[in-house]
Amino acid sequence: EAQVTQNPRYLITVTGKKLTVTCSQNMNHEYMSWYRQDPGLGLRQIYYSMNVEVTDKGDVPEGYKVSRKEKRNFPLILESPSPNQTSLYFCASSLIGRTEAFFGQGTRLTVV
Amino acid sequence: SQQGEEDPQALSIQEGENATMNCSYKTSINNLQWYRQNSGRGLVHLILIRSNEREKHSGRLRVTLDTSKKSSSLLITASRAADTASYFCAFFSNTDKLIFGTGTRLQVFP
Repeated sequence: EAQVTQNPRYLITVTGKKLTVTCSQNMNHEYMSWYRQDPGLGLRQIYYSMNVEVTDKGDVPEGYKVSRKEKRNFPLILESPSPNQTSLYFCASSLIGRTEAFFGQGTRLTVV
Repeated sequence: SQQGEEDPQALSIQEGENATMNCSYKTSINNLQWYRQNSGRGLVHLILIRSNEREKHSGRLRVTLDTSKKSSSLLITASRAADTASYFCAFFSNTDKLIFGTGTRLQVFP
C-alpha cells in the first residue's frame, strides 16, 4: 500500500531535549516536505527536499533541521525543542512536477 | 506571506445543500489543488486543476479556476454529514514550495 509513515504519532517532551520525528514513504517520490499546523495559521512549510541530499527552507525553518540521505526517508530534528514548537506536524511526499501530495497521519508534539 | 487565503473560515449547512469555498492566492501558478482534512488527521488530495483549465469535475466536486483574478472555488454538491471536514487549497510557488491556504471548516448537519 502506498503510504507516508510518520513516527511517533504522539510525543510529549521537555524543553531542550533533542528529538527526531521520522518520515518514510514507499512511493519513490522525489519531493518530501514537513509542515506544522497551528490553530488559525493553517499549514506552514518547515523544510522541503527535491531529492537526496537537496534540502531547502520553507516558511518557518527556525529551530528545525532535516536530512535527506535516502530517497525514502526525511527525518525532522528538533535539536533543542521549545514550547512554541508545540504543534501538529505533517510529512508529505510527491513526485517532482508539482503533482498531488501524500500526507502522513501526523505527529502531535507537546513541549513542556 | 505567500499563503493562500480561503473564505469562509467556517461554513455550516444542512445535508443536501451545496457548499462553496473560495481560495485566493498571490503568485503565478501552474496548478491548484484542493485537499480535505478530517479532524487532526492527514490531508487527502481531492482534485487538481491546471492553470489552462477553467473548470473540473470529480464526482460531487466541482472546481473552478480564474487565473486573472488569482482565485479558485470548490463546490460540493448535495452535501452529506460525512463531508464534514476542513478543506484547503494548495499551490506550488515558483521556488517549489507547496503552499496551503488557511482552510475552511465545513460542518454538515444531518
